[in-house]
Amino acid sequence: DTEVTQTPKHLVMGMTNKKSLKCEQHMGHRAMYWYKQKAKKPPELMFVYSYEKLSINESVPSRFSPECPNSSLLNLHLHALQPEDSALYLCASSRPKDEQFFGPGTRLTVL
Amino acid sequence: DAKTTQPNSMESNEEEPVHLPCNHSTISGTDYIHWYRQLPSQGPEYVIHGLTSNVNNRMASLAIAEDRKSSTLILHRATLRDAAVYYCILTGGTSYGKLTFGQGTILTVHP
Repeated sequence: DTEVTQTPKHLVMGMTNKKSLKCEQHMGHRAMYWYKQKAKKPPELMFVYSYEKLSINESVPSRFSPECPNSSLLNLHLHALQPEDSALYLCASSRPKDEQFFGPGTRLTVL
Repeated sequence: DAKTTQPNSMESNEEEPVHLPCNHSTISGTDYIHWYRQLPSQGPEYVIHGLTSNVNNRMASLAIAEDRKSSTLILHRATLRDAAVYYCILTGGTSYGKLTFGQGTILTVHP
């Protein structure tokens, strides 16, 4: 299994909602990543988890809260988002310092 | 992170070779050169990486200049499926594992 899965594929939420994005991989990778990609822009790194511990937070606002409950699962909890947070959210995984495998992304729309 | 410069766009015909250039004049001795591509409506996909020597894999070849200030991704026979945004990324040192995407090159392949 060489796949990173992300759910849901699409999400529409209001500014007062709380929602979560889920990412899963079964390749035994111990590094997992969240990226944000606005339309027609390159992906931007948000968070890196290494061995289930947060190792990089790229100064992301606290309305985005990552969680890594186990080595296969990565969540991104969303609360009180703004319309400008609408974007494609990409998850990736890798062996530490190795090529990254990306999921297809969750397309988020904040109304 | 050291910066890379790529042309905004390139065009090719199907079954012809494509040479995608990348300049990285401030590369450090420990920086690896990675290439990823992103097909429409998909997450990025690893293509190839190298340090000093030219590299080949089933997808492409990477030619690295002797001074390492530039590199070229070579697709030997472009197909319509190769139409994507191609990103040249440097990783190394303390940023290893962290991908900083530039604007990339949009490759259009004509039938």
